[in-house]
Amino acid sequence: DIQMTQSPSSLSASVGDRVTITCRASQGISNYLAWYQQKPGKVPHLLIYAASTLQSGVPSRFSGSGSGTDFTLTISSLQPEDVATYYCQKYNSAPLTFGPGTKVDIK
Amino acid sequence: EVQLVESGGGLVQPGGSLKLSCAASGFTFSDSAMHWVRQASGKGLEWVGRIRSKANSYATIYAASVNGRFTISRDDSKNTAYLQMNSLKTEDTAVYYCTRRGGDGYNPALAFDIWGQGTMVTVSS
Repeated sequence: DIQMTQSPSSLSASVGDRVTITCRASQGISNYLAWYQQKPGKVPHLLIYAASTLQSGVPSRFSGSGSGTDFTLTISSLQPEDVATYYCQKYNSAPLTFGPGTKVDIK
Repeated sequence: EVQLVESGGGLVQPGGSLKLSCAASGFTFSDSAMHWVRQASGKGLEWVGRIRSKANSYATIYAASVNGRFTISRDDSKNTAYLQMNSLKTEDTAVYYCTRRGGDGYNPALAFDIWGQGTMVTVSS
């Protein structure tokens, strides 16, 4: 099975900072990569699919890039409401594995 | 309103069974691939399995950790998906979410766009 890794596992940044999270697949998955945001105590929420397509209603400060095995999620200007854990997920074929998550908070 | 509502969670002893339901509304359920995802307390997300639509032969597939113990089914006349869990283990304790993949009309490029609020399953003696 393809393994998904994320880095860093956690980060602390200031409001307005540019934040980048990396996700890596152990084998190529084309662009079948999604990013989810899960705020504390809440349900996961789709941010980006197909590696770089912003889900409807998601603020434009979120962006995704990558293809194959290496992907990034960028928050161009971190806001207080972005405090959450972010998960990547491969969905090209089963098992639809999630990465271990990156916890983002405000410095 | 587009939504998924899970029910059926609770406390069960190791070796026991439980059946979760996921009621859908606000979209064409019969066209949708439905997945189950779980999350143990303080842990990450774990994909459990999925069932495809009638057009795709109601095909199911499961994570290795639940294969042979869990069964996903659906009743399109009731707009409901189910997760039958047998031979439960303490490590199955988690919040269980149902989620839709593919959006309206099933676009395989689209990931899990709708999530239920989750239902808690506790396996303990």
